[in-house]
Amino acid sequence: GESVGLHLPTLSVQEGDNSIINCAYSNSASDYFIWYKQESGKGPQFIIDIRSNMDKRQGQRVTVLLNKTVKHLSLQIAATQPGDSAVYFCAEGFPSGTYKYIFGTGTRLKVLA
Amino acid sequence: DAGVIQSPRHEVTEMGQEVTLRCKPISGHDYLFWYRQTMMRGLELLIYFNNNVPIDDSGMPEDRFSAKMPNASFSTLKIQPSEPRDSAVYFCASSLVSIHPYFGEGSWLTVV
Repeated sequence: GESVGLHLPTLSVQEGDNSIINCAYSNSASDYFIWYKQESGKGPQFIIDIRSNMDKRQGQRVTVLLNKTVKHLSLQIAATQPGDSAVYFCAEGFPSGTYKYIFGTGTRLKVLA
Repeated sequence: DAGVIQSPRHEVTEMGQEVTLRCKPISGHDYLFWYRQTMMRGLELLIYFNNNVPIDDSGMPEDRFSAKMPNASFSTLKIQPSEPRDSAVYFCASSLVSIHPYFGEGSWLTVV
């Protein structure tokens, strides 16, 4: 029979434009959030993280926004480049002491030349 | 820093055989995680250790799966007997307390 896999949402962005990838998390008690990038055939690579006592954090070309009210996380990538093409995952960490990181299903980012 | 090292990178085995996946965490990290990634279920946490002690193994699918961490620099994930539905990419990750996990490149397992 036909196998049904996870439906990975895809975001297509023109090279040089900004990208916004969204993530809804599940547990209101989660206090640590991470964004990872996964290229084909490789392991997830850390991009940026944010703790629940912050709303925004910036890195090099990336910004993470956290809205605890609606349990929403977003990753903004400025001036998207071809090398940014990958699957992006958000992960939520449960209250201190558990270290049980739970990953979202991911979003595929395609950068159009 | 060599990062998290996993072996083998690729393994093809026959149903019923024992499979052993190995992981060397980053030196000094006190947390070690085993994840499984499939198209059907995404990235799932199987088990994690703190200071070589298993803390949460609720993600281990069944008794055919076992994981050990005999010392701070080595961990194994065993599947015995293996089944085709175990085909997946298995990732090992390590971290310091309260810091994001660093992932290895994964072990790609195919059970035929």
